[in-house]
Amino acid sequence: ILNVEQSPQSLHVQEGDSTNFTCSFPSSNFYALHWYRWETAKSPEALFVMTLNGDEKKKGRISATLNTKEGYSYLYIKGSQPEDSATYLCASPTDSWGKLQFGAGTQVVVTP
Amino acid sequence: DVKVTQSSRYLVKRTGEKVFLECVQDMDHENMFWYRQDPGLGLRLIYFSYDVKMKEKGDIPEGYSVSREKKERFSLILESASTNQTSMYLCASSFGGRGVDEQFFGPGTRLTVL
Repeated sequence: ILNVEQSPQSLHVQEGDSTNFTCSFPSSNFYALHWYRWETAKSPEALFVMTLNGDEKKKGRISATLNTKEGYSYLYIKGSQPEDSATYLCASPTDSWGKLQFGAGTQVVVTP
Repeated sequence: DVKVTQSSRYLVKRTGEKVFLECVQDMDHENMFWYRQDPGLGLRLIYFSYDVKMKEKGDIPEGYSVSREKKERFSLILESASTNQTSMYLCASSFGGRGVDEQFFGPGTRLTVL
């Protein structure tokens, strides 16, 4: 059973358009919220690790927000480019050891 | 450049074979993890280790065992491979056990069991 859920499962975006998608997670016993980008034929790479309610993080055209009270995080991509095509995974630790529970991912396809 | 490496990118084995998947990290990380990834299910934790010779079961340990004799190396063992173990296997490592440290992933091993 996935307590970490992502939506939508996939989305297609035109180059230049902005987009966003959601990760929901259990709000009780919150430790952190991780976002990873997984490009085809590559390893998943961490984008953000967020810990504080109201936290906003940014890396280039990608940003994320966090609401720990209601248990959701949004990832935004501004002005999507073909190189943004990837599966975006969010994950939340299930304990203080760092065991992550992952969502099923949102697959983003950016078409020129 | 930090690195997690896995012994094979692709592997084909027969049912009943014993399979070893090796993972090595060069970051002196305490924690190491083995996941499998199946379509629509996300990454699921098989086992993790928080120290040399220490291991804990994850969400789906059945049919698997692990070994961590040295800090940098974490091995996943399929004692008797079965077709339902056909999957993508990913190894990861992280610095500490507080849940706030990002995990670094290897490139994955796509295992097919015939």
